[in-house]
Amino acid sequence: DAKTTQPPSMDCAEGRAANLPCNHSTISGNEYVYWYRQIHSQGPQYIIHGLKNNETNEMASLIITEDRKSSTLILPHATLRDTAVYYCIVIRGTSYGKLTFGQGTILTVHP
Amino acid sequence: EPEVTQTPSHQVTQMGQEVILRCVPISNHLYFYWYRQILGQKVEFLVSFYNNEISEKSEIFDDQFSVERPDGSNFTLKIRSTKLEDSAMYFCASRLTGDQETQYFGPGTRLLVL
Repeated sequence: DAKTTQPPSMDCAEGRAANLPCNHSTISGNEYVYWYRQIHSQGPQYIIHGLKNNETNEMASLIITEDRKSSTLILPHATLRDTAVYYCIVIRGTSYGKLTFGQGTILTVHP
Repeated sequence: EPEVTQTPSHQVTQMGQEVILRCVPISNHLYFYWYRQILGQKVEFLVSFYNNEISEKSEIFDDQFSVERPDGSNFTLKIRSTKLEDSAMYFCASRLTGDQETQYFGPGTRLLVL
């Protein structure tokens, strides 16, 4: 599975959009980009995933560049409850599904 | 919305004792996982389980660990003789199937070995 690189921390004001970047320059054609988050020591929570098209759900939007070497998770209106560690994970679609977590990005949403 | 559940939420045990951590995956899911997170560290994969057998395991998952699906709903992780370094959060996850790899995690069991 491709390696990912994320900034260690980011800040965002409540109500503003939070844009979390992820580099995955070695991604291959059958690998998906997944985003999870972990609030305190709770279980990782699935947010969104994509292959090559941009995706949107009730939680977030995922923008994947045309060359697929990077992506951005967008939380459109961040709240204090979005303060968490955000993980970008790349995984092959045909594997048994082991997730390899990095250090992620600590997002702090300020009032 | 269906969710993965885990019991107990907290467990304290003495070094050398056996512990069993329990998970109830989402009911129609077919792939099951255990992960652990030592305090302040990354979430680490332990083992994946499919079709009643281990499909992949990490170096952490040594002979002290075992997994079982004793019935149609539970998925357990047993640590035979706990060590201090086994103290961690243990997360169970499950996945339906197919080429979409969305795993859903439970809330975790905090294990403290004294």
